Amino acid sequence: RKEVEQDPGPFNVPEGATVAFNCTYSNSASQSFFWYRQDCRKEPKLLMSVYSSGNEDGRFTAQLNRASQYISLLIRDSKLSDSATYLCVVNYNFNKFYFGSGTKLNVKP
Amino acid sequence: EAQVTQNPRYLITVTGKKLTVTCSQNMNHEYMSWYRQDPGLGLRQIYYSMNVEVTDKGDVPEGYKVSRKEKRNFPLILESPSPNQTSLYFCASSPHGADTEAFFGQGTRLTVV
Repeated sequence: RKEVEQDPGPFNVPEGATVAFNCTYSNSASQSFFWYRQDCRKEPKLLMSVYSSGNEDGRFTAQLNRASQYISLLIRDSKLSDSATYLCVVNYNFNKFYFGSGTKLNVKP
Repeated sequence: EAQVTQNPRYLITVTGKKLTVTCSQNMNHEYMSWYRQDPGLGLRQIYYSMNVEVTDKGDVPEGYKVSRKEKRNFPLILESPSPNQTSLYFCASSPHGADTEAFFGQGTRLTVV
């Protein structure tokens, strides 16, 4: 079983839509959680860290559910520029990041 | 500018010809790591280093070597490349370990024929 699993998508949504992605992780000892964004085979870049209480950054909201071992990313009022692949990343032993395979989002005019 | 620099960005080579991909960071980060990214498999860790002279295997270390003689540099060495090492490679660094933001290089697209 993969450490981190994501729905690969693609999610095709119109501009202005709200879209949500989930990501599940297998190790209950996981400590740190992140969402990264990757554009078209470029380097991944941090979108936001995910905190236990949930956190928001503009149109983006991240939630953590430790009991069910998943994290989520909600994007409101989608923009064309949000089109990318979103990577879920988890850490539990300080030495390694575990990456999901990514969820592809296409925002259409 | 704070950055992770990889070179080369693109490389086509032949089976068995040793090559090195360089990675350098200017942020004084202790933690550095190498990943390969293949379609449908996501990023898989090859090697990582917690500090100078401290390196360890990741999930897919076979066929690769690394060294960390200086804090800023973490080269990836393919002693005898094979076609199954054709991939997109990323180097990344973090301040102390894998519990904070990772900063990635721009990637190296390697083709082994």
